[in-house]
Amino acid sequence: EDKVVQSPLSLVVHEGDTVTLNCSYEVTNFRSLLWYKQEKKAPTFLFMLTSSGIEKKSGRLSSILDKKELFSILNITATQTGDSAVYLCAVIGFGNQFYFGTGTSLTVIP
Amino acid sequence: GAVVSQHPSWVICKSGTSVKIECRSLDFQATTMFWYRQFPKQSLMLMATSNEGSKATYEQGVEKDKFLINHASLTLSTLTVTSAHPEDSSFYICSAQTSGSADTQYFGPGTRLTVL
Repeated sequence: EDKVVQSPLSLVVHEGDTVTLNCSYEVTNFRSLLWYKQEKKAPTFLFMLTSSGIEKKSGRLSSILDKKELFSILNITATQTGDSAVYLCAVIGFGNQFYFGTGTSLTVIP
Repeated sequence: GAVVSQHPSWVICKSGTSVKIECRSLDFQATTMFWYRQFPKQSLMLMATSNEGSKATYEQGVEKDKFLINHASLTLSTLTVTSAHPEDSSFYICSAQTSGSADTQYFGPGTRLTVL
């Protein structure tokens, strides 16, 4: 059964902390892995990863994929209250089907 | 648990016809369902939010007469693309939420629509 599992389910940190969000997957015919940030409306696209070991970076956010161990991490450094959101991981598999994790809810307190 | 399915996975239709996409929560009751459309560069656009038994709330810019949403039961929501045109070709994804999980949405696998 194809699945994507994110951990932790929920996280509360103080401003300035660094957090690491995990996404592991078992998906047939893996094509790519995507990270989204979801606040009130639609998820906002963050990264798409297709190759192992190549870090993608955008400001304080970075992500990397390990296709051998079948996981990805999303790092956020120097967290701010505006980073509070649900972070979703999705894997595109066979037939371009999406497999979403249930997300990690991040709360950053001042 | 918390599985959401969509049917069909892939549909090709002629311009001018209508297409219905189903979204089902298989093992839980979905009080709220969301319909998204995927645009280039992987961004998802929220089209509408539907609550069981009431009319859907459409996002600005989404034509409610073109994209008909029905949430007739706690396990089924449908999106009907009426008089489809090639520009409606896209990937449509639904998600479902239970009343007890304000932050958690369970996403379906998506339906790819191609209009010729």
